[in-house]
Amino acid sequence: AQSVTQLDSQVPVFEEAPVELRCNYSSSVSVYLFWYVQYPNQGLQLLLKYLSGSTLVESINGFEAEFNKSQTSFHLRKPSVHISDTAEYFCAVTNRVGRALTFGSGTRLQVQP
Amino acid sequence: DTEVTQTPKHLVMGMTNKKSLKCEQHMGHRAMYWYKQKAKKPPELMFVYSYEKLSINESVPSRFSPECPNSSLLNLHLHALQPEDSALYLCASRGDRDRGRYTEAFFGQGTRLTVV
Repeated sequence: AQSVTQLDSQVPVFEEAPVELRCNYSSSVSVYLFWYVQYPNQGLQLLLKYLSGSTLVESINGFEAEFNKSQTSFHLRKPSVHISDTAEYFCAVTNRVGRALTFGSGTRLQVQP
Repeated sequence: DTEVTQTPKHLVMGMTNKKSLKCEQHMGHRAMYWYKQKAKKPPELMFVYSYEKLSINESVPSRFSPECPNSSLLNLHLHALQPEDSALYLCASRGDRDRGRYTEAFFGQGTRLTVV
C-alpha cells in the first residue's frame, strides 16, 4: 500500500516571494512521484515527475522538486511566484507495479499581489 | 499530440436519465482511467482499463457502467444517479513503459456533472 500526505491545505504567499509545498509519501517499494496542477474548472496538468536518475527535477515554468528518499519527501518549490500560479497542487505517487496514481489531499496556492 | 479529450464539458441530468461521458485519446496509450473528483478533494479512482479490458473497479456502484469499445475510446454510462454523484469526472490515459521506464498519466479537462 502507498499513501501521500500534503500537510498544508492552503498556502497564501505574496507575488514574487518564494514558496514550498510539502509532500511526504509512504510506500514499501520504489516509487514514482508526480506533481499535478489544477486551475479552476479544469483538469489536471502534469507539472513535473520523478521516475529515476537525478533527484532534482524542474519544470519549464520555474518550479522544481527534490526527491529525498531518506525523508520520503518530494517537496515542490519556486523561488518567485506569480499571480498566475494560483491553483490547486496535487502530489501523487505510484510504484513499479502500480496501475493508478494515489493522490495527496491537495494544497491550494493563493498568490496575492 | 498529448491530449485527452472529454465530452461533454458540462452535463446536467435528472435522477431518472441515462447519459454517457466520452473520453478519447490518440496517443496509442493502452491504459485508461476514470476518476471522480468532488469539490476541494483529490481525484478518486473509479475504473482502470488495460488493453481494453477492465482491470480495476474500485467498488463503484452499478449505476456507473464503463465501456472501452476500442483502444482510443473510453465511455462512462450513467443511469439512475443520485445528487451526491455530482462531481467532476476525469479521464486519464497512460502509455506502456518506455524502455522499461514508467510513463506518466495524461488527464482530460473533465466533465462537470450535476445531478438534479
